[in-house]
Amino acid sequence: DAGVIQSPRHEVTEMGQEVTLRCKPISGHDYLFWYRQTMMRGLELLIYFNNNVPIDDSGMPEDRFSAKMPNASFSTLKIQPSEPRDSAVYFCASSLASSGRRGYTFGSGTRLTVV
Amino acid sequence: DAKTTQPTSMDCAEGRAANLPCNHSTISGNEYVYWYRQIHSQGPQYIIHGLKNNETNEMASLIITEDRKSSTLILPHATLRDTAVYYCIVREGTNAGKSTFGDGTTLTVKP
Repeated sequence: DAGVIQSPRHEVTEMGQEVTLRCKPISGHDYLFWYRQTMMRGLELLIYFNNNVPIDDSGMPEDRFSAKMPNASFSTLKIQPSEPRDSAVYFCASSLASSGRRGYTFGSGTRLTVV
Repeated sequence: DAKTTQPTSMDCAEGRAANLPCNHSTISGNEYVYWYRQIHSQGPQYIIHGLKNNETNEMASLIITEDRKSSTLILPHATLRDTAVYYCIVREGTNAGKSTFGDGTTLTVKP
């Protein structure tokens, strides 16, 4: 298995532009999580899905952020419009609720820089 | 989920055991202790988890006190590649639901 795949690895964009981050979870996993990591705030959970349905989006900073999971193999996190304070590393993770190996598998992250 | 307390940083000599403590005094009966680590610029990596019994896998051992209010992650023979931030998390045992990461412990393994 290739693990959780995120794209792009790096994104540099100008303030006000739309940014879309992508995630492909591990096949068969039924939970998907989006985290954001900054030096100031550490790892923050933004939103998570179960069987493609958003369960808890209380961590989404504001209406500029939106996430979708149109099918079991793909999710997007969109920021529109982007702001410099959105600069961070965004991680996607997936897990299988019934797995005997009880842990999340994280992707390599997308480093977003908004200038 | 219960809150955890970990030291900000620790050092360990290469080849020696690294013992990373975690306090979780408000843990409830159905909550497990999970450990992850994050090597610089990579995504966090699951290490081990346990409920009340000690656990061991190919990466580490987990020792949980009898009252379950604290635990210790043990890396038996630390290498330079074990330098990372180690996160202790407590949460309900199923893989369903979310995990909240604290600040973790920065472990530096020195030659």
